[in-house]
Amino acid sequence: NAGVMQNPRHLVRRRGQEARLRCSPMKGHSHVYWYRQLPEEGLKFMVYLQKENIIDESGMPKERFSAEFPKEGPSILRIQQVVRGDSAAYFCASSRGRGQDEQYFGPGTRLTVT
Amino acid sequence: TQLLEQSPQFLSIQEGENLTVYCNSSSVFSSLQWYRQEPGEGPVLLVTVVTGGEVKKLKRLTFQFGDARKDSSLHITAAQTGDTGLYLCAGPAGVTGGTSYGKLTFGQGTILTVHP
Repeated sequence: NAGVMQNPRHLVRRRGQEARLRCSPMKGHSHVYWYRQLPEEGLKFMVYLQKENIIDESGMPKERFSAEFPKEGPSILRIQQVVRGDSAAYFCASSRGRGQDEQYFGPGTRLTVT
Repeated sequence: TQLLEQSPQFLSIQEGENLTVYCNSSSVFSSLQWYRQEPGEGPVLLVTVVTGGEVKKLKRLTFQFGDARKDSSLHITAAQTGDTGLYLCAGPAGVTGGTSYGKLTFGQGTILTVHP
């Protein structure tokens, strides 16, 4: 009965480095969502993926950010050339299907850019 | 863009008191979810309300969905210190013909502190 798993839980990167955040959805769930929570701000949608497909990336910054959900393995959110403004908590959620299905969140990855 | 506004932003009460948190929008939502988030953790789903006027109870928590499906409330009876946390309402963002786009839009949250 494992829930949504994310790793690492904490990640420290220097400016200019790359950050890779991983998310394994709940068993039986094939839809993955990434959200970002900045200090003093609410949760903001970034991207919605199904296996091998990006369904909606309307919340992703145009540059440096990318996401994938391969046929095998976890979903990955990749941030290239990180800047201090990327410091935030990144949450992954999963659902069984699209539409009205409820989303269940992982514990998050706290990214700190020094 | 569908927005959700929560009030109050902060709530500090004594153990045993009752409280209500509100979640309002000018848009109609097909459903609304309530989550609770503790520091350093992800949001935990408490409930989903779907039908206008619906009332759901979860022990001391009562959730209501407005008749017009534009607002919701969370009422906690006899608050306990374990209720302390960030309460978030969320709803599907962008609904066309009853089909959600999948992504959720969140309110800013209500930070509840219950003192012993």
